Amino acid sequence: RKEVEQDPGPFNVPEGATVAFNCTYSNSASQSFFWYRQDCRKEPKLLMSVYSSGNEDGRFTAQLNRASQYISLLIRDSKLSDSATYLCVVNAAADMRFGAGTRLTVKP
Amino acid sequence: DGGITQSPKYLFRKEGQNVTLSCEQNLNHDAMYWYRQDPGQGLRLIYYSQIVNDFQKGDIAEGYSVSREKKESFPLTVTSAQKNPTAFYLCASSIRDRAQETQYFGPGTRLLVL
Repeated sequence: RKEVEQDPGPFNVPEGATVAFNCTYSNSASQSFFWYRQDCRKEPKLLMSVYSSGNEDGRFTAQLNRASQYISLLIRDSKLSDSATYLCVVNAAADMRFGAGTRLTVKP
Repeated sequence: DGGITQSPKYLFRKEGQNVTLSCEQNLNHDAMYWYRQDPGQGLRLIYYSQIVNDFQKGDIAEGYSVSREKKESFPLTVTSAQKNPTAFYLCASSIRDRAQETQYFGPGTRLLVL
């Protein structure tokens, strides 16, 4: 079993749609959680941290469910510029584990 | 502008050759990391360093070596012992904020074998 699992997609959605990604992790000692965005042939860039109470940044909402060991990312009102691969990252005592990513394509 | 730089952007390696990838940061971060990314896989940790003159092996250190003589620099050498070096190599550095460590990445180096 992979330590961090994501649905690879691709998710193909029209502009304006709402799309959600889930990610599950196996290490119950994990302490911090992140979503990164990676454009094609570029480096990952931090999109947002994920806090226990859930958090929102504009059109993006992240949720954490420690009991079920999953995190989610919701994107509302999708833009063409949201097309990218979204990486789920889980950290347990400075041991960062990366999911393989979920690919999103937003179409006109 | 603070940031992480990696060079070169593309690197070609011949059979039996050692090559070195550069990573420099001016963010004053203590910790630095090297990852390898292959298509369809998550990033895998090669080596990391929490402080100058100290580093530890990650999950896939075989065939690689590093040094950390300066806080700003963490070069990675891909040796001839690494039989499948073609990949996208990413360097990262991190800051600890309110007990949470956040990593920031350089632009990466693509290594191709001739």
